[in-house]
Amino acid sequence: NAGVTQTPKFQVLKTGQSMTLQCAQDMNHEYMSWYRQDPGMGLRLIHYSVGAGITDQGEVPNGYNVSRSTTEDFPLRLLSAAPSQTSVYFCASSYTGPNTEAFFGQGTRLTVV
Amino acid sequence: GNSVTQMEGPVTLSEEAFLTINCTYTATGYPSLFWYVQYPGEGLQLLLKATKADDKGSNKGFEATYRKETTSFHLEKGSVQVSDSAVYFCAPIMDTGRRALTFGSGTRLQVQP
Repeated sequence: NAGVTQTPKFQVLKTGQSMTLQCAQDMNHEYMSWYRQDPGMGLRLIHYSVGAGITDQGEVPNGYNVSRSTTEDFPLRLLSAAPSQTSVYFCASSYTGPNTEAFFGQGTRLTVV
Repeated sequence: GNSVTQMEGPVTLSEEAFLTINCTYTATGYPSLFWYVQYPGEGLQLLLKATKADDKGSNKGFEATYRKETTSFHLEKGSVQVSDSAVYFCAPIMDTGRRALTFGSGTRLQVQP
């Protein structure tokens, strides 16, 4: 049972480079989201999607793009990496019903130098 | 606005000690309440939840009760084990429009043998 799979696990970028963080889930969940985790701040929502073709901004969307062409995949793109984007990124998925459990990937640790 | 205040860590306990991690929140309405746990090197996973006032969530010996009057959802365990060493996040769903979890800052628990 794969659950939520994120790749890569670790990445180092130079300032100004772009990259895509991959996220895939095999549970047929409608709702998917991206969070970033910074020390002492918990997790903050970047972008989310309630189904294929539908995305919206979260709390900290600047510098990130997302798309949702299939139910399974929800990639996160960094357009021009900045040191402030050094963080651990988590993808999560869940059903859209109320009070449902979110399933998280193992995270991507990104360092921008 | 909505916010979550969680007990600061790290918390260091001896095996079989009693654990309390405090969590209070500020929100309009009555959000669903969750505790997530993050073991070293892993993503977050649901520990327990409560969806209405006076509900008690429980799992793996952990408990938390939805206290509407004090807007609190404190996590407790009667006898901790070394394997409970992890980071614990209180996370209500207060952003009902985005259906997003609002995370506390996390409390690191270290249990010593």
